[in-house]
Amino acid sequence: GENVEQHPSTLSVQEGDSAVIKCTYSDSASNYFPWYKQELGKRPQLIIDIRSNVGEKKDQRIAVTLNKTAKHFSLHITETQPEDSAVYFCAATKREYGNKLVFGAGTILRVKS
Amino acid sequence: SAVISQKPSRDICQRGTSLTIQCQVDSQVTMMFWYRQQPGQSLTLIATANQGSEATYESGFVIDKFPISRPNLTFSTLTVSNMSPEDSSIYLCSVEGPGELFFGEGSRLTVL
Repeated sequence: GENVEQHPSTLSVQEGDSAVIKCTYSDSASNYFPWYKQELGKRPQLIIDIRSNVGEKKDQRIAVTLNKTAKHFSLHITETQPEDSAVYFCAATKREYGNKLVFGAGTILRVKS
Repeated sequence: SAVISQKPSRDICQRGTSLTIQCQVDSQVTMMFWYRQQPGQSLTLIATANQGSEATYESGFVIDKFPISRPNLTFSTLTVSNMSPEDSSIYLCSVEGPGELFFGEGSRLTVL
C-alpha cells in the first residue's frame, strides 16, 4: 500500500519568510496529492491539491510542486503570516472512487512575528 | 462543500465503557470515512462505511472494537468499545465531495 513520509516535523520561520514542507510517496500509481491545514482544535481543511498530470500549481501565497519521477511533492508558502501557523498534512492516493487518502505525519509550522 | 456535524464534540469516559459518536451530513453521500487522530499524530483511517453493507476496516482495526452503523445516506455512527486510555484520541468523520475530502470537527475522547 501507499506510504507517505513528511519532513520536517516542525518548522519555525520569521514572518515574511518562506516555508517549504516536503513529502515523498511510495506508490507510483498515486495520482492525487492534497495538502490539509489543521489549526489548533479545528478540523483539517484542504488548502491546495495537485494531480499527477501537472507539475506545479499556485494559489496566491501557496504553491505545490510535484516530481513524479522522484515521487515527491512539496508545499511552498511565501510571505508567511502568523495566521499560517498550524499543522500541515500532505496526503496521497490513486484518485478512484473509494480510494483512501494516506496522510503524512504532519508538520507543525510556527510563524514568529 | 459538505457540512458535517459530529456529536459529541468531546467526552471524558471511564475505562471499560463504550461511547458512540454520531456523524450527520447535509447531503447524501455513498461513502463515509472514520479517522482517528491520536494526540500530536496524523490521521489514520479506521474504516469506510457504505450504506447498506458492512464497513470495511483497515489493518489494525476490528469490528468488535469499532462497530460502525450506516443506516442511510446522510448518517453514520462509530462506537469505541471497552475503552482504555490508549483510545484517547480525536475521532473524525469525513466524506468525499467534489474534488476533496471534507472532515467533521471531530470528537475528542479522553479515557481515564
